[in-house]
This record gives sequence, C-alpha cells and structure tokens, in this order.
Amino acid sequence: GAVVSQHPSRVICKSGTSVKIECRSLDFQATTMFWYRQFPKKSLMLMATSNEGSKATYEQGVEKDKFLINHASLTLSTLTVTSAHPEDSSFYICSASPEPSSYNEQFFGPGTRLTVL
Amino acid sequence: GDSVTQMEGPVTLSEEAFLTINCTYTATGYPSLFWYVQYPGEGLQLLLKATKADDKGSNKGFEATYRKETTSFHLEKGSVQVSDSAVYFCALRSAGAGSYQLTFGKGTKLSVIP
Repeated sequence: GAVVSQHPSRVICKSGTSVKIECRSLDFQATTMFWYRQFPKKSLMLMATSNEGSKATYEQGVEKDKFLINHASLTLSTLTVTSAHPEDSSFYICSASPEPSSYNEQFFGPGTRLTVL
Repeated sequence: GDSVTQMEGPVTLSEEAFLTINCTYTATGYPSLFWYVQYPGEGLQLLLKATKADDKGSNKGFEATYRKETTSFHLEKGSVQVSDSAVYFCALRSAGAGSYQLTFGKGTKLSVIP
C-alpha cells in the first residue's frame, strides 16, 4: 500500500513552453501533498505544500506564478512549470501524506526528470 | 531553522564491509528522525525512523539510534551488499502538532563493489 505515482517520468521540452507533472496517490487519500526539487548532488528542496481544495503554500524563493500547483482532489496534485527555461531543468519529486495533522510519514513518488532545451 | 548535515559522499565499500553514514541535526525540541533510501531510477523510500531520544530504528540490517546528547542519527550496517548501492538521505521532521514537513540532508551515495 501507500503508492504514489508521477507522470511523466521524463519530459523534454523547448524553452518557453509549459509542462504539467501529475502526482497521484494510488491507494490512499492524500490531504496534503508536497513538491520537491532535487538538484544533482544536493538535497531535496521543498518547493511547496498543497492541501486539497486550498491554495498551495510556497517556500521562500519559489515563484508562485512559475510553478503552479493544483490539488483538486484527494488523489491528484499537479505541478505546472510555466514558460520553462533551461535553468528549470531538474528532478521534481512529489510526496503525499494521508493526514494533515499527524505524524504520518510522507510517501514519495518516483520523480520526474525535466529537461528544458 | 532546522538543518541536517550528513557526510559527503560518495562512499565506496567492498561487499560485506561495515557501513557508517554520519548524520547530525539542528532543531528545536524533539524532532522525529528518518533515513530514506533512493535506488537508481526510483523515488525515495523510508528506510527507518526514530521518534524520540534513544530510540533505535532498524530495517533490512540497517540501524540508527536517536542520540539527543550529540544530536546525531548515524546509519550503520554490519555487512553491506551490492544491492545496498543507493543514495541515502537523513531527514528530520520538527516536533509539534500538525508538523509534517521534512528537512533533508544532501544525501550520501553508496557504491558497494563485489
């Protein structure tokens, strides 16, 4: 149980285009989902926290208008990288937590490798 | 703010060698501590955790003990296998009701050679 999927696993796009990444909890309802960015040889950096039905909470330094997050249902959150540029190339990882206010662990997706040409 | 520091990699060991990956943290109160593992091409998986001082987390032969006095949570395994090759992340979650955000270390890449 507690499986989180991401789609696509890899995406290559041209500079200036937008890319949507989906994160799904397959066998549980995720009230809270998290989006991380992982740079080579660096840690996972939390980008934003999204709660179903409400606006996402972005970490300091993360552009809200560039990284659009939608958490429209209890099993799906999407991250849209708008007007992508080469510096947005990275590994994006989502995680999901079954409850909003407990010590339940986060379950991680396999990640999406974004390459912007 | 909270932070996690873990030893720089990469670490290369021969099969059946002893493994230690150091992890220290800075946080207020009593955070929960975790080790996650990321196998090549896969997402992070929880390896083990400890939620209070002196707790020992263990899984798949790996162990880590929550040391409040030294603010450490070092990962150990007595005999590594080639299949243990992966990136290991130490992480903490702050104490307090409703707290569920994780702070990660930079990760340590382990390569085990036959």
